Amino acid sequence: DAKTTQPNSMESNEEEPVHLPCNHSTISGTDYIHWYRQLPSQGPEYVIHGLTSNVNNRMASLAIAEDRKSSTLILHRATLRDAAVYYCILRDRTQGGSEKLVFGKGTKLTVNP
Amino acid sequence: NAGVMQNPRHLVRRRGQEARLRCSPMKGHSHVYWYRQLPEEGLKFMVYLQKENIIDESGMPKERFSAEFPKEGPSILRIQQVVRGDSAAYFCASSPEIVASGRNEQFFGPGTRLTVL
Repeated sequence: DAKTTQPNSMESNEEEPVHLPCNHSTISGTDYIHWYRQLPSQGPEYVIHGLTSNVNNRMASLAIAEDRKSSTLILHRATLRDAAVYYCILRDRTQGGSEKLVFGKGTKLTVNP
Repeated sequence: NAGVMQNPRHLVRRRGQEARLRCSPMKGHSHVYWYRQLPEEGLKFMVYLQKENIIDESGMPKERFSAEFPKEGPSILRIQQVVRGDSAAYFCASSPEIVASGRNEQFFGPGTRLTVL
């Protein structure tokens, strides 16, 4: 599985935007970029995914570099509820590829009131 | 529409006992995944099952661990002769039929926290 690199931790203030980076320099052309987050004492939660174009949903935006070697998860206005560990995960879209999620250490986001 | 359900939420076992963890996927989901999270570590994939079939068990320890997803009823992760190192949070996830590899969202349950005394 292609690897991802994320900062161990980041800090933000409530109501401010947050940009969470992820490097994936060995990404292949068949890899989707997924983001999940895990709130304290809960199971992971899907956030967003993309392939080449930037993506928006009700939770966040995903900005993907033109060469796809990096991406950024954007929370437009952080709330206290967004404090979590955020995981950037590559998933192979090749037919018959494994459907498992390979979690790294993620970025622990702290949101200050 | 109920989410993924896991029970029990907390399980305490003594060394040598058996642990059975149950997972009921979301309605209409036919794919189940089990992950383990050791204290202060990230989540690790264990096994991926469809109804009555194990698709990928590359993350399962070779001994004492087994998983099933019968035609009827929940998926079961079974740990025989538990040891202290098995203490962890075990998460189950489910997804609907795979229409495009690598795209489907996995929906996670709240986890079962196993403590081995």
